Amino acid sequence: AQSVTQLDSQVPVFEEAPVELRCNYSSSVSVYLFWYVQYPNQGLQLLLKYLSGSTLVESINGFEAEFNKSQTSFHLRKPSVHISDTAEYFCAVSDINSGYSTLTFGKGTMLLVSP
Amino acid sequence: KAGVTQTPRYLIKTRGQQVTLSCSPISGHRSVSWYQQTPGQGLQFLFEYFSETQRNKGNFPGRFSGRQFSNSRSEMNVSTLELGDSALYLCASSLVPSGLNTNTGELFFGEGSRLTVL
Repeated sequence: AQSVTQLDSQVPVFEEAPVELRCNYSSSVSVYLFWYVQYPNQGLQLLLKYLSGSTLVESINGFEAEFNKSQTSFHLRKPSVHISDTAEYFCAVSDINSGYSTLTFGKGTMLLVSP
Repeated sequence: KAGVTQTPRYLIKTRGQQVTLSCSPISGHRSVSWYQQTPGQGLQFLFEYFSETQRNKGNFPGRFSGRQFSNSRSEMNVSTLELGDSALYLCASSLVPSGLNTNTGELFFGEGSRLTVL
């Protein structure tokens, strides 16, 4: 079984400041890693994913995350946030060998960007 | 192309009633999963369907059930509703089912059905 820990339930930050949302996972097997974003009253949208290859993955809107196997982490970063980045961010893992793509989610981190 | 469509978006029920939620996946997607989202427990996996067969099930009581039709549309049902069933129920579709090499693990979520149990 896997578990995901998002250490911060809320992260307040000023516009144009950098931000890091932390995610650690626990798993005895190899995993795929994901970040999903949820805007108010909407479903989840995939932000970025790590399946294999380069441990640094990027999204089209400036977010990046780095897979660190030794620290079992997949932290999300953005060098300069916008007001429109205000949303809840969920880290998730799936066991690539289980035969299922069932996602195990963290509890989420609410990113609050203020002017 | 249209995204994942869930109906109804909002509904209110009383304890003891039952509810059916519907999900239409993205055209061409044949795998449908359901998740429950609550403030306390976060996002929890309910079940996954592919080709009208349940492929995986989360740790929920038997009051929670689902099915998938030949056109890939899915429904989930909750019987004998309890106050704790109040939640946002999210449906997600994917192109192929879990376990295949071509599965990228990416799920496409609908906007959810918000159930309030009074």
